[in-house]
Amino acid sequence: SQKIEQNSEALNIQEGKTATLTCNYTNYSPAYLQWYRQDPGRGPVFLLLIRENEKEKRKERLKVTFDTTLKQSLFHITASQPADSATYLCALRNNNDMRFGAGTRLTVKP
Amino acid sequence: EADIYQTPRYLVIGTGKKITLECSQTMGHDKMYWYQQDPGMELHLIHYSYGVNSTEKGDLSSESTVSRIRTEHFPLTLESARPSHTSQYLCASRGGGGNEQYFGPGTRLTVT
Repeated sequence: SQKIEQNSEALNIQEGKTATLTCNYTNYSPAYLQWYRQDPGRGPVFLLLIRENEKEKRKERLKVTFDTTLKQSLFHITASQPADSATYLCALRNNNDMRFGAGTRLTVKP
Repeated sequence: EADIYQTPRYLVIGTGKKITLECSQTMGHDKMYWYQQDPGMELHLIHYSYGVNSTEKGDLSSESTVSRIRTEHFPLTLESARPSHTSQYLCASRGGGGNEQYFGPGTRLTVT
């Protein structure tokens, strides 16, 4: 069956460090993968999209990698700030709809 | 900020009542979606639409129904609410050639 797994339910890091979140998937052949940020009580907000033929994508302090052989995407936040604290979701396109992972809750401590 | 709106934001209702959750977007997107999300859990797709008069059920079995009479409007209806329907309901849209989804703020439903 198709699965999307995101590493650990929660990740705690110190301000200024790099946060690395993992998204692994099985039984998918996604054309692209997306990352979203979700704050408590709010809907997810789109951050980045990376296509299957792209190895890496950057946007300001964010970096996403996509390894279709390992079936894995890594999401990095460099120079993390307390304001980066949120839940981060990865999402895969599956035929005509998107499937979301359960998310990783990131807490950046000052 | 995405131009997609949901009302009400919070709703507490008794068992057996009929309710409609509203979702509207002003971006002219043809694709719209309803997700159900319990606290700390993943989003589950319950309904989607690719345009006017098009509606499909998602992965998660749901006792709700939807309609798409106008492009901008995608309401979700529960004919008889039950405590098991207590959850957060998120509406989203996609269009304009883009692949990302824009989410509304959600409706937190509690059925007593």
